[in-house]
Amino acid sequence: DAGVTQSPTHLIKTRGQHVTLRCSPISGHKSVSWYQQVLGQGPQFIFQYYEKEERGRGNFPDRFSARQFPNYSSELNVNALLLGDSALYLCASSLKTPPGNTIYFGEGSWLTVV
Amino acid sequence: GEDVEQSLFLSVREGDSSVINCTYTDSSSTYLYWYKQEPGAGLQLLTYIFSNMDMKQDQRLTVLLNKKDKHLSLRIADTQTGDSAIYFCALGGGSYIPTFGRGTSLIVHP
Repeated sequence: DAGVTQSPTHLIKTRGQHVTLRCSPISGHKSVSWYQQVLGQGPQFIFQYYEKEERGRGNFPDRFSARQFPNYSSELNVNALLLGDSALYLCASSLKTPPGNTIYFGEGSWLTVV
Repeated sequence: GEDVEQSLFLSVREGDSSVINCTYTDSSSTYLYWYKQEPGAGLQLLTYIFSNMDMKQDQRLTVLLNKKDKHLSLRIADTQTGDSAIYFCALGGGSYIPTFGRGTSLIVHP
C-alpha cells in the first residue's frame, strides 16, 4: 500500500511569492496534519483536518492556510513568503483525529525561499 | 522551558546499546511516540507506548516510561551504523496538538 505522498519534493520560491503544497493520505485515512520542520528543530504543528473540517491550528500567521478535499487529500498554502518560511513541510495522516491515532508521515516538501 | 526535552547528541560505538532520553511536562499525554528521521527524509514511526504501560519491547527497541518522573527512554540494543539518525520523542493526548522534542542525533561509530 502507498504511504503518505507529498508533492513537490523540492521547490525554490522568491520572497513575496505564494506556494501550494499537496498531500495524499494513506488509503482509508481521513485525517491529515501539516507540520513545519526548520533545520535543527522538531516538527511544529500547523494544521489538522478531519472530514474536510479544520480541527486544530498551531501558532502560525494567517499567511498559512489549508484545506482538505472530498477524497481526503489536502493542500497547504503559504502567501507572501518570507525567508523564514524555508523549511521541510511534512504531511501526516491518521485514521481519525490525533492524538488518539497513530500518525504516519510523508517524505516532506523542501521549500527554499530566496 | 520546552514541553518536551531531549539531549541534542548521543555518540555510541557499533554493537553497544544506545539510550535516548526524553522528559516532558504534560502528564495527561496518552500516547508517547518515538520517530526516526534519516538525513533528508521524513519521519518514520518506530514505536509507541500507551501511558498506562511501563515498558514495551519490540525486537531491538525497548521503551521505558516513568510517569512519576515524566521520563521516556528508547533503548536500542546492538546499535548499528544504519541506526545513525535523529530520534524524536513526541506526545499525544491531553493537549490536542501533538508535541515533538527537538530530536537527538545518534552517531554510531565503528
